[in-house]
Amino acid sequence: NAGVMQNPRHLVRRRGQEARLRCSPMKGHSHVYWYRQLPEEGLKFMVYLQKENIIDESGMPKERFSAEFPKEGPSILRIQQVVRGDSAAYFCASSPLGQGFSEAFFGQGTRLTVV
Amino acid sequence: DQQVKQNSPSLSVQEGRISILNCDYTNSMFDYFLWYKKYPAEGPTFLISISSIKDKNEDGRFTVFLNKSAKHLSLHIVPSQPGDSAVYFCAASAIGSQGNLIFGKGTKLSVKP
Repeated sequence: NAGVMQNPRHLVRRRGQEARLRCSPMKGHSHVYWYRQLPEEGLKFMVYLQKENIIDESGMPKERFSAEFPKEGPSILRIQQVVRGDSAAYFCASSPLGQGFSEAFFGQGTRLTVV
Repeated sequence: DQQVKQNSPSLSVQEGRISILNCDYTNSMFDYFLWYKKYPAEGPTFLISISSIKDKNEDGRFTVFLNKSAKHLSLHIVPSQPGDSAVYFCAASAIGSQGNLIFGKGTKLSVKP
């Protein structure tokens, strides 16, 4: 019974490249959430997805960031034309219901470093 | 403007004693509160939660207290153990927020043997 799986664990990109972060939710979970943690900060909500639907993307930067959760396969967080300020730990969480009603389980995170 | 505040960046406690971690919030629409524990290089792990209709929830060594009038909650760990050393995050969810948890910046707890 695997937990939330994120890959890669560490990702290094040069400025201007694209970063693709993957998240496979726990078995039976159809809700996925992406959070970002900057150094010395708490986690900041980015986006909430259900299968094939974006439910809430109020925390996503307006440009360069996108997320999807296709019918088959993992959820993908894509960052185009990365900049140094995108360097952070990106965490994915999954739950079987809306997070207000059950406690989401987090993955180990992807640490993105932009050089 | 931070809606969830953990004003103590760090806390040091002796093994066997009580650890009290505090959290304040400003949004009166918050109706569900959670505590997460995080070790370095790992994701947060859910510890305990409390609904706004309650003022206390207990699970083993962990108890969360909620004071709605003061917009304050606290996590008590007793007795504290060295394995409890981690960063603790307070998080809150608002009515109808649909999955958007608001996190505090965390408190680093060190439990000394």
